[in-house]
Amino acid sequence: GAGVSQSPSNKVTEKGKDVELRCDPISGHTALYWYRQRLGQGLEFLIYFQGNSAPDKSGLPSDRFSAERTGESVSTLTIQRTQQEDSAVYLCASSLRSGRFGGQPQHFGDGTRLSIL
Amino acid sequence: QKEVEQNSGPLSVPEGAIASLNCTYSDRGSQSFFWYRQYSGKSPELIMSIYSNGDKEDGRFTAQLNKASQYVSLLIRDSQPSDSATYLCAVIGDKIIFGKGTRLHILP
Repeated sequence: GAGVSQSPSNKVTEKGKDVELRCDPISGHTALYWYRQRLGQGLEFLIYFQGNSAPDKSGLPSDRFSAERTGESVSTLTIQRTQQEDSAVYLCASSLRSGRFGGQPQHFGDGTRLSIL
Repeated sequence: QKEVEQNSGPLSVPEGAIASLNCTYSDRGSQSFFWYRQYSGKSPELIMSIYSNGDKEDGRFTAQLNKASQYVSLLIRDSQPSDSATYLCAVIGDKIIFGKGTRLHILP
């Protein structure tokens, strides 16, 4: 596909369950970012992958959050033991490489809307 | 704490007028600056990037950067109702920081 693809588009789950969100970046984009956006709020940076370098996890809010990416392909964001405050839209973006945080514009997927009951 | 500040709005502008959106940032080492538009319930969409001081024009949009004063602005000429959205400023220094956005409402 031409753009960043995220799945599922919507996820409703019970408190305490684990969830896994998927992001398929634009082909050739070595940088990949995860953000969280709560209702009516700005973007909250979570984690950044650049090629095979160690990811920048400085934005992850707790150890319940983790993410993986193999090479320059698909990434998964996992939230364990979900809490109601995890309810948000989770956005993935990718960009071409240029420096630590890209310096390149980011292209966003449509997001996963996560609702914790 | 490095920050990016935007007026949350809503900013109401009559159709056909110029909308002016402002963003200030605290990290003097910031190098790259972006404006994203986000419609309600949708993901952000890149509309402008700017890297050096001065103005950059693209159609009805003009981005202005002043690194000495640490601000970046976006002008939208001939505002249209379809420009009604939240506009996010993003600043890249040693990390990327997004502002919380300014809600723009174009009055028909």
